Amino acid sequence: AQKVTQAQTEISVVEKEDVTLDCVYETRDTTYYLFWYKQPPSGELVFLIRRNSFDEQNEISGRYSWNFQKSTSSFNFTITASQVVDSAVYFCALSPNFGNEKLTFGTGTRLTIIP
Amino acid sequence: GAVVSQHPSRVICKSGTSVKIECRSLDFQATTMFWYRQFPKKSLMLMATSNEGSKATYEQGVEKDKFLINHASLTLSTLTVTSAHPEDSSFYICSARLNRVNYGYTFGSGTRLTVV
Repeated sequence: AQKVTQAQTEISVVEKEDVTLDCVYETRDTTYYLFWYKQPPSGELVFLIRRNSFDEQNEISGRYSWNFQKSTSSFNFTITASQVVDSAVYFCALSPNFGNEKLTFGTGTRLTIIP
Repeated sequence: GAVVSQHPSRVICKSGTSVKIECRSLDFQATTMFWYRQFPKKSLMLMATSNEGSKATYEQGVEKDKFLINHASLTLSTLTVTSAHPEDSSFYICSARLNRVNYGYTFGSGTRLTVV
């Protein structure tokens, strides 16, 4: 069975602060993929990143960075210098095998950036 | 590329009526589509997996006779909520599996269904 836990239900930070969203996963698969999605108030899911289980290198994309640690089964997401447009619900998700099987989503973290 | 168009974005219907939600892959062939349901402030729960040309596979607890899924072509999958009730009010979102291994999924923009 697969499980994704996002312990932080809601987070509020003041604009320009850094914020880290936690994601812990459980799986028995040796090959799997992890994802992060952003869901703004309009509802659509915006793809942020896809990472396979064999690649533990951290990734940075602009103000976004991800820390994947297999030893602790975590895939945390950090936004630096947060902006109001970052306000959204963020979901971490897990897929077995090659990342194109059904996704198991975490419960999401609602991030509010206060101007 | 790899866009899924989902319609309608919002729909209000009366109890007892049926509502059809469409998801079309615009620039690729989607052999597999996933249908999710999201209650307010909750996560996305997988309802079913539809494969083109075959019957959908429903997750445990999802009524297949209530949520009819048709995937008759490589570019279109539909979800019909039959005899809708207020408790069916929710956000429904489809996702297409991309055929190329390295690209994962693409999601539709979602449909907010309100049953009155």
